[in-house]
Amino acid sequence: GAGVSQSPRYKVAKRGQDVALRCDPISGHVSLFWYQQALGQGPEFLTYFQNEAQLDKSGLPSDRFFAERPEGSVSTLKIQRTQQEDSAVYLCASSLLWDGYTFGSGTRLTVV
Amino acid sequence: QQQVKQSPQSLIVQKGGIPIINCAYENTAFDYFPWYQQFPGKGPALLIAIRPDVSEKKEGRFTISFNKSAKQFSLHIMDSQPGDSATYFCAASRGSSYGKLTFGQGTILTVHP
Repeated sequence: GAGVSQSPRYKVAKRGQDVALRCDPISGHVSLFWYQQALGQGPEFLTYFQNEAQLDKSGLPSDRFFAERPEGSVSTLKIQRTQQEDSAVYLCASSLLWDGYTFGSGTRLTVV
Repeated sequence: QQQVKQSPQSLIVQKGGIPIINCAYENTAFDYFPWYQQFPGKGPALLIAIRPDVSEKKEGRFTISFNKSAKQFSLHIMDSQPGDSATYFCAASRGSSYGKLTFGQGTILTVHP
């Protein structure tokens, strides 16, 4: 596609509910990143994939967060047993190489 | 650990003014310094980036100044326009880290007509 597509754009979850956030990267992009952006803050790194391999998951805040990219294209970020502190915008980005990557518009998650 | 500190938090200028946003970093291993522009409801978009082997880079109305010894870099927007009103983020990464970015806290820029 022309850009990085994320769905849903908005998600309201009840505390304790599991959620899945989807990212469709630009076709052919090898690298895929997930970032978390709290209100009024800069994005913070969560995890990185090179094709289907998850090479860095050091930014995942807890074991409730899980990401996958099984075929090296679409990626899903899953959050189990959501908590209020998980409320944020979750951004996906992809790139051919390691610089100048393109961000999607994000998924705004609100946990109530 | 706040590895990239950005200032000011917000900035208001008149059309045609030259807003300047500053960033300071701690990790001397950083070797790539991009600036991103973000509009409400959108993801950050790359504006301009610099590497430490040059002290200045200009692209259109946007200029990055880089001071390696001070570990500081700044964004200048020439002839600012109301359409430049957005949040601006500086960031940094290491070449050995496949592009994982550390962002500053952001600066909300308002350009009045």
